[in-house]
Amino acid sequence: GAVVSQHPSRVICKSGTSVKIECRSLDFQATTMFWYRQFPKQSLMLMATSNEGSKATYEQGVEKDKFLINHASLTLSTLTVTSAHPEDSSFYICSARDRVTNTEAFFGQGTRLTVV
Amino acid sequence: GENVEQHPSTLSVQEGDSAVIKCTYSDSASNYFPWYKQELGKRPQLIIDIRSNVGEKKDQRIAVTLNKTAKHFSLHITETQPEDSAVYFCAASEENRDDKIIFGKGTRLHILP
Repeated sequence: GAVVSQHPSRVICKSGTSVKIECRSLDFQATTMFWYRQFPKQSLMLMATSNEGSKATYEQGVEKDKFLINHASLTLSTLTVTSAHPEDSSFYICSARDRVTNTEAFFGQGTRLTVV
Repeated sequence: GENVEQHPSTLSVQEGDSAVIKCTYSDSASNYFPWYKQELGKRPQLIIDIRSNVGEKKDQRIAVTLNKTAKHFSLHITETQPEDSAVYFCAASEENRDDKIIFGKGTRLHILP
């Protein structure tokens, strides 16, 4: 079945630095990918929709200059958390759906970001 | 935009009994309703889904019902087992438009021995 791979699974960074998270669709092309953030014991909150070849669409309240999204190919979207602060520590997870087969959405493994 | 409400936030049931989780959605254009089970620190796993052209769907011990008029959908787990303990999320999406999946707040299900 379709698989979405996310990397890295864990990252610890210093306050003020930037972190890049990759999301790849392994056996299908994804013109659209989605980025979610999940704080402990909370739900997955949609941050943005990543669109191949065009600008991402951000949900209300999500800072586009802080969470940079690039979707340069049909199989790769990246999320860069810029100038990270401790409050950005969270579980970030991407998803994509194979629109050709019209099956379920697939989720990456998630990235646990800790900003110290 | 879509808003999904989920109840209860926590549910404890005796092993072997049934568990029911209920959700409502706000956007009548939503037509796809997946349910996910999430273990701690892991990705959500789809356990069942339903589309708006059917009213219910069953897969072994798991069933989902959908009432489009009332914008309600529910998850039913029968003959619960210890491995059913997890966090469950309902979600709603408008397929073939933007496809984005909006999650409910989740239900922590405890199966008591």
